[in-house]
Amino acid sequence: QVQLVQSGAEVKKPGASVKISCKTSGYTFTSYFMHWVRQAPGQGLEWMGIVNPSADVIEYAQKFRDRVTMTMDTSTRTVHMELSSLRSEDTAVYYCTRDDKNSWFAFWGQGTLVTVSS
Amino acid sequence: DVVMTQSPLSLPVTLGQPASISCRSSHSLVHSDGNTYFNWFQQRPGQSPRRLIYKVSNRDSGVPDRFSGSGSGTDFTLKISRVEAEDIGVYYCMQGTHWPYTFGQGTKLEIK
Repeated sequence: QVQLVQSGAEVKKPGASVKISCKTSGYTFTSYFMHWVRQAPGQGLEWMGIVNPSADVIEYAQKFRDRVTMTMDTSTRTVHMELSSLRSEDTAVYYCTRDDKNSWFAFWGQGTLVTVSS
Repeated sequence: DVVMTQSPLSLPVTLGQPASISCRSSHSLVHSDGNTYFNWFQQRPGQSPRRLIYKVSNRDSGVPDRFSGSGSGTDFTLKISRVEAEDIGVYYCMQGTHWPYTFGQGTKLEIK
């Protein structure tokens, strides 16, 4: 079955960077788009960007374009998301989520809590 | 960006009674390919979101048939025919037609 397993919680200081991983299994890695979505404490969901493993195409939401880098490693079936210049407002749970043949966001990782605090 | 507006934001319901959540988008969600990329998600407390409905009215595998989605263009509705205790959580609408993809603010369903 499809599994998305994310790396563990992180605590970072303002101005630092964080890199989160999402290891996949149970499907052909290059066959589906992967996204990153975040959720600040008690808040809603915010889409950050999309990775197309088959075409090596990555697109970011405008809001994050100057601070986020999403990469993929086909050999380990892992997608990474790095966010730089962290500020307190970046404290959130970050999710990787995969599409299916029907539509967006069919499968979700368990989430990674990133806490930004001095 | 397309703004997704849900109502109500809080929905107290009695077990066994129906519930309805509305979502309105600021732009038509009909894609140039003819599809309407509008989905509903459920997020139970402490869990990751789960997709319930895709492309307006299609239930995902394993989703009880008491959940149904309808709508078109800019106005969409999620209905629960008879609310059960396991339905408590926050429900989000989402559009995948226009870049960037956007979510509604969420509707918190709670039991009276």
